[in-house]
Amino acid sequence: DAGITQSPRHKVTETGTPVTLRCHQTENHRYMYWYRQDPGHGLRLIHYSYGVKDTDKGEVSDGYSVSRSKTEDFLLTLESATSSQTSVYFCAISEGLAGDEQYFGPGTRLTVT
Amino acid sequence: DAKTTQPTSMDCAEGRAANLPCNHSTISGNEYVYWYRQIHSQGPQYIIHGLKNNETNEMASLIITEDRKSSTLILPHATLRDTAVYYCIVRVLQAAGNKLTFGGGTRVLVKP
Repeated sequence: DAGITQSPRHKVTETGTPVTLRCHQTENHRYMYWYRQDPGHGLRLIHYSYGVKDTDKGEVSDGYSVSRSKTEDFLLTLESATSSQTSVYFCAISEGLAGDEQYFGPGTRLTVT
Repeated sequence: DAKTTQPTSMDCAEGRAANLPCNHSTISGNEYVYWYRQIHSQGPQYIIHGLKNNETNEMASLIITEDRKSSTLILPHATLRDTAVYYCIVRVLQAAGNKLTFGGGTRVLVKP
């Protein structure tokens, strides 16, 4: 299995509080991605990174920010969590070559009360 | 990226081949067919991808029709551990990132 870890694995937080999720990889892959998964919506891309300090928005980026200061770490921040951000969050990595597959982490289950 | 249509669910018997269909009638010439699966509570797992030739790896085979409007993923000897949601994704092979769009998928239940 690809070396991807996510932390925390579970988190419950209150509306309005900031939350940061961490994705860590040991594969030295160039690309990293954050998805969220909700019933009835499948997986939707939030943000992705194509290198250190290089990031771009996905289809559901509102309310989220990301940072990548090192190749191995990609952080997802909810500046002020809302109940609509209750979801399962998956990190993924890929080498960034044309057509290569993505490897996914185990996920973080976030509940905003 | 082209839209895909998959059955919502299907059952198959343990030890038998599982054939999962996918329709992608609006696929373009430069779009590939990818298959991923997601076992309950885990992250999605890449299975296989192809353009127009049939492909096989240690997990599965991918059969793409000559007109490329549909494909079939074949799990040759299904086991209970193959119970999962299987996603067929059609997308352009692009160098700058590989953003995936997951639809509803097919929920496969392998029965003893």
